[in-house]
Amino acid sequence: GDSVTQTEGQVALSEEDFLTIHCNYSASGYPALFWYVQYPGEGPQFLFRASRDKEKGSSRGFEATYDKGTTSFHLRKASVQESDSAVYYCALATGGLSGKLTFGEGTQVTVIS
Amino acid sequence: GPKVLQIPSHQIIDMGQMVTLNCDPVSNHLYFYWYKQILGQQMEFLVNFYNGKVMEKSKLFKDQFSVERPDGSYFTLKIQPTALEDSAVYFCASSLGEGWGNYEQYFGPGTRLTVL
Repeated sequence: GDSVTQTEGQVALSEEDFLTIHCNYSASGYPALFWYVQYPGEGPQFLFRASRDKEKGSSRGFEATYDKGTTSFHLRKASVQESDSAVYYCALATGGLSGKLTFGEGTQVTVIS
Repeated sequence: GPKVLQIPSHQIIDMGQMVTLNCDPVSNHLYFYWYKQILGQQMEFLVNFYNGKVMEKSKLFKDQFSVERPDGSYFTLKIQPTALEDSAVYFCASSLGEGWGNYEQYFGPGTRLTVL
C-alpha cells in the first residue's frame, strides 16, 4: 500500500535557523503530495501541495519540491520563528474520487527564541 | 478561515458501550472524512462520505463503525459496541469538492476517545 516516511521525529532549532524535514513516499500511480501543519489543540491545517514532478509548493516561507526520481518532498524554511513550533505532516493522495490522504508520522518542530 | 468543529473534545466510555462522535463541517462543503490517530502513531484514513453514501473505507473501518449525516446536520461517527483498541483521537475533515488535486481538506481539532 501507499506510505509516507518522515525521517525526523523531533527537531529543535533556534530562531533564524534553517529547517529541513525529510519526506519520502511510496505509492502506486502518480500521487499528489501535501504538507500539513498542526498547532496544539487544533487539527492539521493545509500548508501547500504539489501535483507533478519538479513542481514547487510554497506557503508562509515554507517550500518543497516534488521529486519523482527520489520519491521525495522535503520541507524547507530558511529562517524559522518561534511561531513555527508545531507538528508537520507530509501526506499523499493517489487520485480517484475519494480524496483519501495517507499521512507520515509527523515531525515535532520546536523553535527556541 | 473556515472551521470544522468537533463535539465532544474528549469522551470516556466503558468497553461495549456505544459512542457517537459529532462533526460540524464547513457549511458549503460536500465531502466528509474521518481519520483515526492512536497516540504516538500516524493519522490513518477511516472513511469518506458524499451525498449520503460511503465512498471509500479502510480496513480500520470495522463493522461496528457507521457514519451518517442526516438532513445536513452533524456528520457523525458511531461505534457500537466499542472496544479497547478504539481508544484514539478521531479527526473529522471536510472539503468542498472531490479528489486529491483540487480541494484541500479542512480538519477539526479532534475528539479524544478513551475506552476503559
